[in-house]
Amino acid sequence: DTGVSQDPRHKITKRGQNVTFRCDPISEHNRLYWYRQTLGQGPEFLTYFQNEAQLEKSRLLSDRFSAERPKGSFSTLEIQRTEQGDSAMYLCASSIGTGGDEQYFGPGTRLTVT
Amino acid sequence: KNEVEQSPQNLTAQEGEFITINCSYSVGISALHWLQQHPGGGIVSLFMLSSGKKKHGRLIATINIQEKHSSLHITASHPRDSAVYICAVRRSQGNLIFGKGTKLSVKP
Repeated sequence: DTGVSQDPRHKITKRGQNVTFRCDPISEHNRLYWYRQTLGQGPEFLTYFQNEAQLEKSRLLSDRFSAERPKGSFSTLEIQRTEQGDSAMYLCASSIGTGGDEQYFGPGTRLTVT
Repeated sequence: KNEVEQSPQNLTAQEGEFITINCSYSVGISALHWLQQHPGGGIVSLFMLSSGKKKHGRLIATINIQEKHSSLHITASHPRDSAVYICAVRRSQGNLIFGKGTKLSVKP
């Protein structure tokens, strides 16, 4: 257990539905990252926060995706109008400081869109 | 061409063998990470390095910044080492770019 938690661990949804995932980082960590991993591939960067500010978004993050970290603590990732191509493991990681430190990963949320 | 390339993609070894996994990258980095991922998804950081060599138990990681290459070595491999090993490079902003991983299976 790295101290980073994610909820839910598994989500099955029908195409077109909205889903929301939550990440709780280690409490004193300023940085929070979201990554996505499809089967057989390495993770890919989606977005990151420095405290409550979202500083960078990948081109992978279409307008159906939105992420928030309202109080600089937990973060949510919402996918609207899910598509089968959204099926993946969504990973959250956190680190202390401003990006130069080790990242601690959560267990991930596995999304299956049917 | 991917920015981070790992080899081999799959590796089967007998218990006790010395294992090497290689990582090459083509972008500027502030650090390189070696990560371990077990079935079910959980990722654990093994090493973070920006120069030279680090050792932790039976694991050794090296990096050559000029050649943009890193290696992860496992000495006296054990079946519990079976996992996916991922190389990731850290950009200046802090986000990671990952390789596709090397799936290691160590047979007893």
